[in-house]
Amino acid sequence: SSELTQDPAVSVALGQTVTITCQGDSLRYSYATWYQQRPGQAPVLVIYGRDNRPSGIPDRFSASSSGNTASLTITGAQAEDEADYYCNSRESSGNHVIFGGGTKLTVL
Amino acid sequence: QVHLVQSGAEVRKPGSSVKVSCKASGGTFSSSTLTWVRQAPGQGLEWMGRITPRFEIPDYADKLQGRLTITADETTNTAYMELSSLRSDDTAVYYCASGNGDSIFYDWGQGTLVAVSS
Repeated sequence: SSELTQDPAVSVALGQTVTITCQGDSLRYSYATWYQQRPGQAPVLVIYGRDNRPSGIPDRFSASSSGNTASLTITGAQAEDEADYYCNSRESSGNHVIFGGGTKLTVL
Repeated sequence: QVHLVQSGAEVRKPGSSVKVSCKASGGTFSSSTLTWVRQAPGQGLEWMGRITPRFEIPDYADKLQGRLTITADETTNTAYMELSSLRSDDTAVYYCASGNGDSIFYDWGQGTLVAVSS
């Protein structure tokens, strides 16, 4: 199928570690890319490829993948990490792009 | 890094068309892929389509084929997204993004709100 599934909401205590997952058949063949979107703002690229961070993204963000599941981990979550997180990848059956439904991260 | 500046908010009636621009500065416009992504109110991100100006061949999401036209003008480093036969469920913030031609979008425009209402 050409879908990516994310948990709608996840919470984490300040300073703790949280993992956000993304599942889909396409992830068996291509890496997930991860974006952060704060309210009222455009998305920002946070992780791409195997586990690459663009300049300016803190090293508390990391990624991993296994089978049809990709994971974004925030180690030592900060208040400013509270946002929506989206994964995307290429479709498994073509070269169009699909997005997961997004995960709303709350930092308690 | 590519800086993308989009045109302003639009209000349209159902059945009409809208054209949104995305002007790029920095980077190499002709070899970058410009992608359009939209986000309906309170909803997630939806990939719409893309174009690499050097090749001039756009690629559209299946559900928008026939209504969506993406173009690029290398003389002004500007990409355009035109959506026709607008419906109320086309109300969304429309983003342009610059990337690698696949699923990696390195830089994003600020977004353009398109509201479709009678």
